[in-house]
Amino acid sequence: DIVMTQSPDSLAVSLGERATINCKSSQSLLYSSNKKNYLAWYQHKPGQPPKLLIYWASTRESGVPDRFSGSGSGTDFTLTISSLQAEDVAIYYCQQYYSTPPTFGQGTKVEIK
Amino acid sequence: QVQLQESGPGLVKPSETLSLTCTVSGGSISSYYWNWIRQPPGKGLEWIGYVYYSGSTNYNPSLKSRVTMSVDTSKKQFSLKLRSVTAADTAVYYCTREYGGTAAGYFDYWGRGTLVSVSS
Repeated sequence: DIVMTQSPDSLAVSLGERATINCKSSQSLLYSSNKKNYLAWYQHKPGQPPKLLIYWASTRESGVPDRFSGSGSGTDFTLTISSLQAEDVAIYYCQQYYSTPPTFGQGTKVEIK
Repeated sequence: QVQLQESGPGLVKPSETLSLTCTVSGGSISSYYWNWIRQPPGKGLEWIGYVYYSGSTNYNPSLKSRVTMSVDTSKKQFSLKLRSVTAADTAVYYCTREYGGTAAGYFDYWGRGTLVSVSS
């Protein structure tokens, strides 16, 4: 199985400041045939299902605010919240879909400082 | 807008079978992979497996010996059965729609989740 490791486990950021979450995979998620990275990001709030934010490492899902962006390639990826809002408090997960079984990172908890 | 809704018992006895159903509304069940994902209390997300609308399945090797999934396209429902449950199977179970990948995909629609506790 591909192991996904996120860092940090938690972070506290002031409102309006940037939050950066890292995700590292145990093997490359870049498919050579189509040059796509098989990596998604989710936001998970208590009592709600996870919400898809980003897929193909950098494509924002419809309706997701543009303060959320994804970057990276191969084994190293980043989710950036450019200007943290109160409603962004949540746990964020990365997920690889390069191979079966799809696997998730352990999650990063984002809080307000 | 596609909506998914899990249903089934919230309490299962050890060694018995956990059975859940997911009903799809607002969209077609055809041409998609329908997945189950779970999250034990305080832990991360674990993929259980998928059933394709045609009935083909793929399970997480860690659970494969105990899992069966099926689909009923006429009712727009798919189901999960997990046999011989233990306390370690206590979790919130989500049904999801998979999209986009080849060997696997990302999950664009999720049910609200249902907590299943395993206890005598």
